[in-house]
Amino acid sequence: KAGVTQTPRYLIKTRGQQVTLSCSPISGHRSVSWYQQTPGQGLQFLFEYFSETQRNKGNFPGRFSGRQFSNSRSEMNVSTLELGDSALYLCASSLATSDNTGELFFGEGSRLTVL
Amino acid sequence: GIQVEQSPPDLILQEGANSTLRCNFSDSVNNLQWFHQNPWGQLINLFYIPSGTKQNGRLSATTVATERYSLLYISSSQTTDSGVYFCAVNSGNTPLVFGKGTRLSVIA
Repeated sequence: KAGVTQTPRYLIKTRGQQVTLSCSPISGHRSVSWYQQTPGQGLQFLFEYFSETQRNKGNFPGRFSGRQFSNSRSEMNVSTLELGDSALYLCASSLATSDNTGELFFGEGSRLTVL
Repeated sequence: GIQVEQSPPDLILQEGANSTLRCNFSDSVNNLQWFHQNPWGQLINLFYIPSGTKQNGRLSATTVATERYSLLYISSSQTTDSGVYFCAVNSGNTPLVFGKGTRLSVIA
């Protein structure tokens, strides 16, 4: 059974550009969550999508957005990139239900560098 | 929201030694996971353990939900055990909240 797949694995952008990251969950998983990891702030929750609806949202500016498609694949977008957006972006999927997140399984991450 | 504290923040061990990592959380939870982050950044699932005790090879974990803590035991440590260990918790369908991690270095 394939795990969570994130693309691209590495990317370099410049300030002001935008970026789109993709996440394919484990087959059958309806929930996809996104986290940002930086050395200073640790692992911070961005948002969770469950059955194409954003169920939870972290404390990030509106430049960070996401969506989930009918096949449960998810994308996140960061517009007007800032140097501080340089981070490892981790996606996780789970066999969530309407009232329980379930066990999360993470992908290998997308490492974004903003110059 | 739920607060998660992990201790110790750093741990250096000689190969073959045993260790105990602790995770305290501030509220009742129905999901607790332990992860190992490998050098490439991926979070590897170790245990899904909202309560009770589980063992997997040299690793075992115990969660005492009523007292709001969990312990991860590593026995006969190997250099490949090096990395950062994270505890994460949540309740219901709220987001998983991570501790700051314990950085383990196992020296040959």
